[in-house]
Amino acid sequence: DQQVKQNSPSLSVQEGRISILNCDYTNSMFDYFLWYKKYPAEGPTFLISISSIKDKNEDGRFTVFLNKSAKHLSLHIVPSQPGDSAVYFCASAEYGNKLVFGAGTILRVKS
Amino acid sequence: NAGVTQTPKFQVLKTGQSMTLQCAQDMNHEYMSWYRQDPGMGLRLIHYSVGAGITDQGEVPNGYNVSRSTTEDFPLRLLSAAPSQTSVYFCASGLGGNTEAFFGQGTRLTVV
Repeated sequence: DQQVKQNSPSLSVQEGRISILNCDYTNSMFDYFLWYKKYPAEGPTFLISISSIKDKNEDGRFTVFLNKSAKHLSLHIVPSQPGDSAVYFCASAEYGNKLVFGAGTILRVKS
Repeated sequence: NAGVTQTPKFQVLKTGQSMTLQCAQDMNHEYMSWYRQDPGMGLRLIHYSVGAGITDQGEVPNGYNVSRSTTEDFPLRLLSAAPSQTSVYFCASGLGGNTEAFFGQGTRLTVV
């Protein structure tokens, strides 16, 4: 079994600064992790992913870091923008796009 | 491409009623799944399918049935609705492997 934990329910950041969202998992047999972003009344949308063969993956303002020994991943958003305000979910992927989600972190970017 | 389409967007049921939540995708994805999201929690897997005719249970399957007769459609059936099934339901599809899943807009279900 896999458990995914996002221990910070919310995060508030000033526009232009870095946002760092954290995620921990329990089962190191899982080797693909994703971050999703969710606005109210919408479905989750894919943001960025990382495979366990890497320790970092970048896509524009978004970077995901994976520390396999600590079973920890983090999402960095630089610079943060007001439109980034949303709920961010970390997920661990199993065969067939089966996902185990964390509880989410609400990010508020203040202008 | 419409992506993943869920209907209805909102539904109120009385306890004991049955209904079907519809999900359709037009991306020719083999893998489809249903999740529910409750306040303060992440999405939890109800049922999933790895192809037409093949379904299996996820983490919280009780009270729900699924079938997959075509690649495109994956309906979720509530046989006898209970207040504990009040939730937001999301359908997803994907190609499997190390790829992302695509989600529908969700169905907000209230059971009174």
